[in-house]
Amino acid sequence: EDQVTQSPEALRLQEGESSSLNCSYTVSGLRGLFWYRQDPGKGPEFLFTLYSAGEEKEKERLKATLTKKESFLHITAPKPEDSATYLCAVQALLDSGGYQKVTFGTGTKLQVIP
Amino acid sequence: DGGITQSPKYLFRKEGQNVTLSCEQNLNHDAMYWYRQDPGQGLRLIYYSQIVNDFQKGDIAEGYSVSREKKESFPLTVTSAQKNPTAFYLCASSTIQGARNQPQHFGDGTRLSIL
Repeated sequence: EDQVTQSPEALRLQEGESSSLNCSYTVSGLRGLFWYRQDPGKGPEFLFTLYSAGEEKEKERLKATLTKKESFLHITAPKPEDSATYLCAVQALLDSGGYQKVTFGTGTKLQVIP
Repeated sequence: DGGITQSPKYLFRKEGQNVTLSCEQNLNHDAMYWYRQDPGQGLRLIYYSQIVNDFQKGDIAEGYSVSREKKESFPLTVTSAQKNPTAFYLCASSTIQGARNQPQHFGDGTRLSIL
């Protein structure tokens, strides 16, 4: 069974204090790994897709990296507006119905203090 | 602006009542999905549809039903058979391109509560 584990569950940072969020996964045939940001009471907002080990993507203060077993979301010099829950999801090989199942982690709740 | 619209934002259900959650997208996406989000749990797939007039059960389909009569619309009905319906419901859509499904894009959810 595909599994996605995110750590830590919650992270509190001072403004400007860089850190990383972890997403470890076990999946049969990774087709893609996605990072999302979710604000309270809102739907997840797509951030990045990573397809293969060694790949990196950047957007403003966020940088996502991928290895064969995990992905990291690095946050450089965070600001209070970066406070949100960050979700990781992995997409696996086609099932018998032709669907590429997506499995979500439970997220890391990030709070950035001014 | 293209996007996914879910309505209503808040919904209350009485015992024994069926309720329907609306999801409309104008992104011209082929695939649409319904997820349930509970505190401390990852998003769980209820139903998905990759083409009009066809849909498949996800991991937790019991007590739910869907239809896909139009490409743009994928309504979810929470039936009285769903004994624990209180949750945040999210609709998503994506394109399908060969071996790599594109990432799913989400609406802003409907919060369903029991009266």
